[in-house]
Amino acid sequence: QLQLQESGPGLVKSSETLSLTCTVSGGSISSSPYYWGWIRQPRGKGLEWIGRIFHSGDTYYNPSLKSRVTISVDTSKNQFSLKLSSVTAADTGVYYCARQESITGTAAHFDSWGQGTLVTVSS
Amino acid sequence: QSGLTQPPSASGTPGQRVTISCSGSSSNIGRNYIYWYQQVPRTAPKLLIYRNNQRPSGVPDRFSASTSGTSASLVISGLRSEDEADYYCAAWDDSLSGYVVFGGGTTLTVL
Repeated sequence: QLQLQESGPGLVKSSETLSLTCTVSGGSISSSPYYWGWIRQPRGKGLEWIGRIFHSGDTYYNPSLKSRVTISVDTSKNQFSLKLSSVTAADTGVYYCARQESITGTAAHFDSWGQGTLVTVSS
Repeated sequence: QSGLTQPPSASGTPGQRVTISCSGSSSNIGRNYIYWYQQVPRTAPKLLIYRNNQRPSGVPDRFSASTSGTSASLVISGLRSEDEADYYCAAWDDSLSGYVVFGGGTTLTVL
């Protein structure tokens, strides 16, 4: 059974870079037609897609976050990572990693999710 | 950049039928599949409906969905207490360079 697990600091200082890693187990990150994505949820609010990556390194980012986001993949470790720069309090929330199924990469089809990790941005 | 529009809340009594709407535009629901997610408090979202109206294995057939033009609906029949959760619609949006857009979520209360 596929499992995803987020890891990384739960507290980040304002203006610094948030870094998270998602470890995939029970399946290969190189399998098709799967992409690997990040979604976040501010406390008490809705879901926001951050971006996704294919095992080849092909990425797609939310236009509203694109200037601050980098998603990378390490197929040897079966992991993918998120970096979000210049964080502010508005970036506080639960960050989820998820598997995105799509032949074209253009579907909101997230069939497996990590449990989520809370990241708090402090001033 | 606009999201999908959902009512913030919905409610029903056990056994009732409840409908949750999701309104979008020609760049998202109008041309791409809609997906629905269920999120029980303090847990990760769970895929409920994919490709407009398909249920993943394990999702009861009490859950159904449909689309019409730039709108979509999730229908829960025979409402049960365990259906109390937040529900989100989502779709790919072809505007800008393309991205996934979520609805704001609907909190379903079983009275």
